[in-house]
Amino acid sequence: GENVEQHPSTLSVQEGDSAVIKCTYSDSASNYFPWYKQELGKRPQLIIDIRSNVGEKKDQRIAVTLNKTAKHFSLHITETQPEDSAVYFCAASLGGSGTGKLIFGQGTTLQVKP
Amino acid sequence: NAGVTQTPKFRVLKTGQSMTLLCAQDMNHEYMYWYRQDPGMGLRLIHYSVGEGTTAKGEVPDGYNVSRLKKQNFLLGLESAAPSQTSVYFCASSYIRASNQPQHFGDGTRLSIL
Repeated sequence: GENVEQHPSTLSVQEGDSAVIKCTYSDSASNYFPWYKQELGKRPQLIIDIRSNVGEKKDQRIAVTLNKTAKHFSLHITETQPEDSAVYFCAASLGGSGTGKLIFGQGTTLQVKP
Repeated sequence: NAGVTQTPKFRVLKTGQSMTLLCAQDMNHEYMYWYRQDPGMGLRLIHYSVGEGTTAKGEVPDGYNVSRLKKQNFLLGLESAAPSQTSVYFCASSYIRASNQPQHFGDGTRLSIL
């Protein structure tokens, strides 16, 4: 079946540094790629998403890049802050199914040290 | 506007017992999903629905049943609970559009099977 691989599984950075999380997907028809942030004990919340017709999208300190040829996309967080500490999930749509289904990566635990 | 509401928030069951988890959304979303979240495995799709009266299997459907009798509600049932079903269960919903739309998650149900 289709899958999404996410790396690294854990990431520790100093406050103010940048953090990068990478995902690779297998479904060549995938055209929608959201990123979710999940704080401990809370629901996953959408932080940014990108569609296949663009290569990069930014929202303040967060950016996502997409390389459709290589079938990978990345989340970039600049000037990290302790409140960025959480688990981050990437996801890719199951293209062509018309169901809105997503396949999620395994998650990356980001720790930002003050 | 409460978004996606899940009940109950916590539950402990004995092996063999049955129960139903309720998901309700007030955003008039067509699509609804049930996921389970286990450590290191991300979010895995159990069942989903693309509209009232329709349901379909996801990635890990065994041991679960669902019903969508009303557009705003999506029920997940465990007929005979097993310890392997100990997990955190999340419901999500999304719009129908020409392109994929973000999924909105509930707060989750933490279920323990003894």
